[in-house]
Amino acid sequence: GAVVSQHPSWVICKSGTSVKIECRSLDFQATTMFWYRQFPKQSLMLMATSNEGSKATYEQGVEKDKFLINHASLTLSTLTVTSAHPEDSSFYICSAREGAGENNEQFFGPGTRLTVL
Amino acid sequence: KQEVTQIPAALSVPEGENLVLNCSFTDSAIYNLQWFRQDPGKGLTSLLLIQSSQREQTSGRLNASLDKSSGRSTLYIAASQPGDSATYLCAVRLNTDKLIFGTGTRLQVFP
Repeated sequence: GAVVSQHPSWVICKSGTSVKIECRSLDFQATTMFWYRQFPKQSLMLMATSNEGSKATYEQGVEKDKFLINHASLTLSTLTVTSAHPEDSSFYICSAREGAGENNEQFFGPGTRLTVL
Repeated sequence: KQEVTQIPAALSVPEGENLVLNCSFTDSAIYNLQWFRQDPGKGLTSLLLIQSSQREQTSGRLNASLDKSSGRSTLYIAASQPGDSATYLCAVRLNTDKLIFGTGTRLQVFP
């Protein structure tokens, strides 16, 4: 099946620093990638949708200047948390999809645990 | 606004029981519905995807049904095993391309 990887799997940083998380589709070309965040014991909340070569579309309430998304190629998307603060600590999960048809699933990465001290 | 709710929120059962997990959604205009499994601290594993034109899908001991008109889906797990312990999430895909996730059911199957 389709494989999506994320790097790093976990990161601890100091408040005020920026952190970059990578999401890669390993065996397919992802025309669309999605970024989610998940707080403990809660469900996944969509942050933004990105199409290769286009600007990301952010969900209401998500600061685009704080969560920078780049989808420069069909196999790589990055999420940069700028000037991270403790309230940004969360589990970030990406997903990737090859096409937009009804049979095209989103395949999820293993997630990245971000802890901001 | 589409809202997805799962009942029960948590479930603890002895090994061998047959289980039913429920998922309800408020807007029937969905593209498809998907059930996922999430182990603690891990990503999501897709279990079953039901297209909007389908009524059920089966994979091994898992069977998922979909009733769009009533806004409901159920995940049936037969002969549960301790290895089935995880959080189960349902998600509906909207025509706008987004996946809206449910609140999840935390399942524990004890030997």
